[in-house]
This record gives sequence, C-alpha cells and structure tokens, in this order.
Amino acid sequence: EVQLVESGGGLVQPGGSLRLSCAASGFTFNTYSMNWVRQAPGKGLEWVSYISSSSGTIYYADSVTGRFTISRDNAKNSLYLQMNSLRAEDTAVYYCARDYLGFSWGQGTLVTVSS
Amino acid sequence: QSVLTQPPSASGTPGQRVTISCSGSSSNIGSNAVNWYQQLPGTAPKLLIYTNNQRPSGVPDRFSGSKSGTSASLAISGLQSEDEADYYCAAWDDSLNGYVFGTGTKVTVL
Repeated sequence: EVQLVESGGGLVQPGGSLRLSCAASGFTFNTYSMNWVRQAPGKGLEWVSYISSSSGTIYYADSVTGRFTISRDNAKNSLYLQMNSLRAEDTAVYYCARDYLGFSWGQGTLVTVSS
Repeated sequence: QSVLTQPPSASGTPGQRVTISCSGSSSNIGSNAVNWYQQLPGTAPKLLIYTNNQRPSGVPDRFSGSKSGTSASLAISGLQSEDEADYYCAAWDDSLNGYVFGTGTKVTVL
C-alpha cells in the first residue's frame, strides 16, 4: 500500500523559509516521479512542482518559480520542498503525490505564512 | 490559477445520476489523459478515475469518466449520501509544462 507522510509545516513569517519533507513507503520510490500540490484554505487544488524519478526533470508552477526548490533522496525514500521568500498567499495545505496513472496522495501538512 | 473549468456545484437526490463537466484546451485535455479526484470534507484528495475512464480498484462502478476533444466528464450514477464531496479534474499541460487542475465542483445530495 502506498504511504506518503508529509512533515515540516508550521507558522512562518512573510519572507521566511520552510522545508517540507515527504516520507514514502509501500512502493519502489526511486522508480516514480513525484509532485507537490497545495490547497489554500477554502480553495481548490494547485499543482506546485514535479520531479522525475532520477531528478533529471523538474518543473515548477509560475507562482513559485525562483522561490521553491523540489528535491528527492532516493536512498532515504524521501521528497522535499524548500520554500524561501514565503508570502501570505503561500498559506496552504501542502500534499506530496506519487505520479503514476493519476496521483496517490499524502495527508498533507499545513503551512501558514503570517506575521 | 485554474486552467480547467468546472461548474461550481451539482446536486441530485439519492439514486439520481449527476454529471460534472471539465473544459480545457488543446494543450491539456486535448492531448493528455484526464484524471478525476474526490475530496471528502476535511480529507486529502483521492484518485477516482485515471486515464480518462479507468477506475482504480475499490472505486465503485457508479463512477465513470469520459473524454471528447478538449472536454471531459465525470458521471455518478445511483447517487449516494457518501458521494457528497468536492470533485476535481486534472491533466498535464504541454504549454505550461505542469499539471493543471479544474476549478472544482461541490456535489450535494439533496
């Protein structure tokens, strides 16, 4: 069974940084592409970033380009999202998702950007 | 910013059939597979339909998907109270080099 557990969320001031982690289990992590998707309070889903299995291909949404960095450690079965220069509009639940015939989702971690 | 357009709401009585549309363009739905997700209140999204019309194991056959040109649809037949949720379509967009989600549709069982 696919299991994805996000962590690292919390309260951060505008302009601050945060690093999210996603621990994967139940599948061969190093053979799957992964994504981060976020959902602002009361809003819809917004794709944030994609990384291929070998980290050779990476994409970002325009809204986070230059501020967020996706990475993975296949030896640790882990996915990361480094978030810098955070803004109030980055406040959301952040989900990691395995990319194979649709997304398999974690439970999410809440990031709140506020002073 | 959502690139795929869905109606904000849909409703029906138990047992009825409800259809949700998802309108896109040639760079997303027109050239890539469509997936549908169900999000029950307070929970993470769950894959409902993949590759336009395929159901993952465990998803009831009351749920079905279709795609034609730059649009897709999700149908729920035999509507049940536990189907009250938000539903999202999604597809890869070749122009944006990223996934795009629909605006979301809230289904209410009357």
